[in-house]
Amino acid sequence: NAGVTQTPKFQVLKTGQSMTLQCAQDMNHNSMYWYRQDPGMGLRLIYYSASEGTTDKGEVPNGYNVSRLNKREFSLRLESAAPSQTSVYFCASGRGVRYEQYFGPGTRLTVT
Amino acid sequence: GENVEQHPSTLSVQEGDSAVIKCTYSDSASNYFPWYKQELGKRPQLIIDIRSNVGEKKDQRIAVTLNKTAKHFSLHITETQPEDSAVYFCAASNVDTGRRALTFGSGTRLQVQP
Repeated sequence: NAGVTQTPKFQVLKTGQSMTLQCAQDMNHNSMYWYRQDPGMGLRLIYYSASEGTTDKGEVPNGYNVSRLNKREFSLRLESAAPSQTSVYFCASGRGVRYEQYFGPGTRLTVT
Repeated sequence: GENVEQHPSTLSVQEGDSAVIKCTYSDSASNYFPWYKQELGKRPQLIIDIRSNVGEKKDQRIAVTLNKTAKHFSLHITETQPEDSAVYFCAASNVDTGRRALTFGSGTRLQVQP
């Protein structure tokens, strides 16, 4: 039981490049989330998926797209990376009857 | 939308002392308030949470109190130990909606001096 996994752990991009961050959970959770963490600002919600087949914008969605591929996987795509997207990205998942969210190990992304 | 403010941003205590971190929230519909601990370079991990129908909850050395009227909640750590040193985040959400996404405070860096 791996919980929530994320790939890659680290990534450096040049401005304008694209990439996809991968997230998978093996806890049979319905809800999945993408947050970004910047120094001194806590975690902010980018996108979430309340169930398979649905996605919705969070607090800071601009510059990102998501795909809920199936119940296990939720990916985050940067189409044209910008230095302002330098951050640590956390994926999380949660179950309907419980409220706790379980976080993945994070992806540290640097855009130069 | 929800706004969560957290104070202080840094807190230094001596080992064995108590630490208190306070948060206020803006949306009266919020009804779930978790606290996360994040060690350097690690993922946030839930340490305690409280629902709005409860005023206080304790788990060994940590406790959380909630004042719904004033819209604030606090984390209390007693008998602090060096391993309590970390960044602590409060959060709020409305679990009665399908969204259930968390709005986080900006974090408190707790340093426990041995």
